Amino acid sequence: GAVVSQHPSWVICKSGTSVKIECRSLDFQATTMFWYRQFPKQSLMLMATSNEGSKATYEQGVEKDKFLINHASLTLSTLTVTSAHPEDSSFYICSARQGLAKNIQYFGAGTRLSVL
Amino acid sequence: SQQGEEDPQALSIQEGENATMNCSYKTSINNLQWYRQNSGRGLVHLILIRSNEREKHSGRLRVTLDTSKKSSSLLITASRAADTASYFCATRRGSTLGRLYFGRGTQLTVWP
Repeated sequence: GAVVSQHPSWVICKSGTSVKIECRSLDFQATTMFWYRQFPKQSLMLMATSNEGSKATYEQGVEKDKFLINHASLTLSTLTVTSAHPEDSSFYICSARQGLAKNIQYFGAGTRLSVL
Repeated sequence: SQQGEEDPQALSIQEGENATMNCSYKTSINNLQWYRQNSGRGLVHLILIRSNEREKHSGRLRVTLDTSKKSSSLLITASRAADTASYFCATRRGSTLGRLYFGRGTQLTVWP
């Protein structure tokens, strides 16, 4: 199956710093990538939908200036958590879809962010 | 926002037993998918069932879909300790740019 690589898998940072998470589709072109946030023992909460070459579509309640998403190529999307605070600590997961007609999303392994 | 609700929230069984998880949803769908998540990892797609299908098999997995009741079930037969994971159902609606709506998940524990 298709492979999505997410990096880093774990990051610890100080409050006020920014953290960038990368999501790459390794063996296919991803027209759409999705960014999720997951709290312990809970479901995935969609943060934003990222289409290559256009601005991301953010879900209600998700701050655009806080969570910057860039989808500069068909194989790479990045999520930058700006001025991170302890409440931003969470598990962030990306997924990628090959095209509009494709139903399946391929997920990265996730990034555990801990803000001190 | 979430779409589905799985039950039970947690299921604990012995190896060799069958595990059944249910999922209910609220709106019309194009398809329903089941994903598996090992602790601290990403999700892995297991099986997809379209809205015009009623049952689908894949190895030890059997999925049913009842659109009149807006519900689905995932059956894992002859479970193994390696099946221990969280299982999520996700629905895709018509014109939502491919986004999936995930349920809360069922945590399955299979004891050796």
